[in-house]
Amino acid sequence: AQTVTQSQPEMSVQEAETVTLSCTYDTSENNYYLFWYKQPPSRQMILVIRQEAYKQQNATENRFSVNFQKAAKSFSLKISDSQLGDTAMYFCAFMTSYSGNTPLVFGKGTRLSVIA
Amino acid sequence: SAVISQKPSRDICQRGTSLTIQCQVDSQVTMMFWYRQQPGQSLTLIATANQGSEATYESGFVIDKFPISRPNLTFSTLTVSNMSPEDSSIYLCSVGPGLADYEQYFGPGTRLTVT
Repeated sequence: AQTVTQSQPEMSVQEAETVTLSCTYDTSENNYYLFWYKQPPSRQMILVIRQEAYKQQNATENRFSVNFQKAAKSFSLKISDSQLGDTAMYFCAFMTSYSGNTPLVFGKGTRLSVIA
Repeated sequence: SAVISQKPSRDICQRGTSLTIQCQVDSQVTMMFWYRQQPGQSLTLIATANQGSEATYESGFVIDKFPISRPNLTFSTLTVSNMSPEDSSIYLCSVGPGLADYEQYFGPGTRLTVT
């Protein structure tokens, strides 16, 4: 069974600074997908960024980037130029299926607070 | 992408009663997933609902407690039966659009409080 571990229950960062959220996972699969989801107080799950395991290049989406280390089974999220609107719970998630028709396995989450 | 709505958005229920949560998607999807998020916790999969077949439940969740219907490719319901305060959670449905897009989309969730 796949497991996802987020070792930082809470983090804080000053506005405009950079913060990195950690995520490790365990799987015997070779092809899989990794995601970071954001859940603000509105509780809507919002996809932040995704990474295909077969791609060596790290994914980037504007201020968000990942450091994907497949051998180490590590998938950290870096948020640059942090903004107050980035305050939320962040969940790392894992999926095995190519099609997206299998469920996600989530880590326990990291609560990020951006401080003005 | 897929747009998902859930009803109700929140409810307060008495113990021993049942609540049915509806999930509507704006496009046809093969799989729908139901998750539970207990207060301050992560998301835990309850079951996978495939149209035309019985839902598949995860360990710790049973059909008598969480019956699911999936009458067509755009709609599903989850019923929380014989509720107790321990069922107080956010319940979310999500969908996986398919081969062209492996992203999963989530509904806004239903916040349930059982008193």
